[in-house]
Amino acid sequence: DAGVTQSPTHLIKTRGQQVTLRCSPKSGHDTVSWYQQALGQGPQFIFQYYEEEERQRGNFPDRFSGHQFPNYSSELNVNALLLGDSALYLCASSGTSGGLTQYFGPGTRLLVL
Amino acid sequence: KQEVTQIPAALSVPEGENLVLNCSFTDSAIYNLQWFRQDPGKGLTSLLLIQSSQREQTSGRLNASLDKSSGRSTLYIAASQPGDSATYLCAVISTGGGNKLTFGTGTQLKVEL
Repeated sequence: DAGVTQSPTHLIKTRGQQVTLRCSPKSGHDTVSWYQQALGQGPQFIFQYYEEEERQRGNFPDRFSGHQFPNYSSELNVNALLLGDSALYLCASSGTSGGLTQYFGPGTRLLVL
Repeated sequence: KQEVTQIPAALSVPEGENLVLNCSFTDSAIYNLQWFRQDPGKGLTSLLLIQSSQREQTSGRLNASLDKSSGRSTLYIAASQPGDSATYLCAVISTGGGNKLTFGTGTQLKVEL
């Protein structure tokens, strides 16, 4: 049973560019959440997708957007990248069968130069 | 707004010691509390999840307790080993907050030979 997978593992972009990160949830899970973790900090909630809609959103600007596909996989898009967007981006999945327990992927390390 | 604090921020102990990591949260209206382990540059591994109706959970050398009324949780690690070296994060899901995790900033643990 594959766990949560994310791609790419690392990414380098320059200021002003746009980036797309991808996540495949654990088998049987239908809910995907995205978190941003700056160096030395705890993860911060960006948003959550369920049934292809954004169900909840944290305190992040509109430059951060997402999408969920019918197979429950998800994308995180960040436009007009800033230096401060450099972080580890974590995807977590959950499903009704597992209650509220969230399972995390290995993350995508984004560096903005 | 829920806030989660972890003390200490860093801890170094000799191998074999028993140790306690602390987590506090400001709003006691939670569904559950989860402890995670994070190795450098990696994703999160769930260690223990305590439902709001529970007082503690155990897994091997790990024991987590929850005192919801006082807004506190502790993670007890028995007979520490060098392989336990990692950052430990606690996170809560608040009632009325959807299914998002609010994290502390973590305790960086080093177990020395």
